[in-house]
Amino acid sequence: DTGVSQNPRHKITKRGQNVTFRCDPISEHNRLYWYRQTLGQGPEFLTYFQNEAQLEKSRLLSDRFSAERPKGSFSTLEIQRTEQGDSAMYLCASSRTGYEQYFGPGTRLTVT
Amino acid sequence: DQQVKQNSPSLSVQEGRISILNCDYTNSMFDYFLWYKKYPAEGPTFLISISSIKDKNEDGRFTVFLNKSAKHLSLHIVPSQPGDSAVYFCAASEEFNDMRFGAGTRLTVKP
Repeated sequence: DTGVSQNPRHKITKRGQNVTFRCDPISEHNRLYWYRQTLGQGPEFLTYFQNEAQLEKSRLLSDRFSAERPKGSFSTLEIQRTEQGDSAMYLCASSRTGYEQYFGPGTRLTVT
Repeated sequence: DQQVKQNSPSLSVQEGRISILNCDYTNSMFDYFLWYKKYPAEGPTFLISISSIKDKNEDGRFTVFLNKSAKHLSLHIVPSQPGDSAVYFCAASEEFNDMRFGAGTRLTVKP
């Protein structure tokens, strides 16, 4: 299967700890997106890469959040000094055209 | 700022009948609109899309209608099947940058 994969699927961490999530996009897709989804809401855009360049960041992405996409392949999203408000589903999507985006299964983060 | 709104949190339809899911948007710069379907514990799955230069797009049982003057789009599913039961998200983008999503509508198709 060549869909978008995300690891881990679930992460439980204590407040103040750092966490890192990984996303592997569909291989021929040069665009990669990160979203956050909380209960009862649609996904909210966090950031976007075209190849290895990070082209856009939402104001939701505080300085505790950082994302990378070395060599334009997989991407990582790191959250430093996690807070309980960071508990959410973190979704990654990739796209070839920039229009239809294909989502991974998400990483559910619980901060205790 | 909620630029994309789905005002119906839930919809229940009998199998075989038509399901109509609605979405409103406020940003006139949006040029591409999409519908995604989401099952529990999975990421959203792309369903159908429409460019702002069109007013209708069909794909099998799914049809999306766009009314730009009203800033409104809708998804029609005919005939509805129990397997269509899921949360449906409307999304919009401007020049293929970040997508803005509605809060979703939970569709239940009863056998």
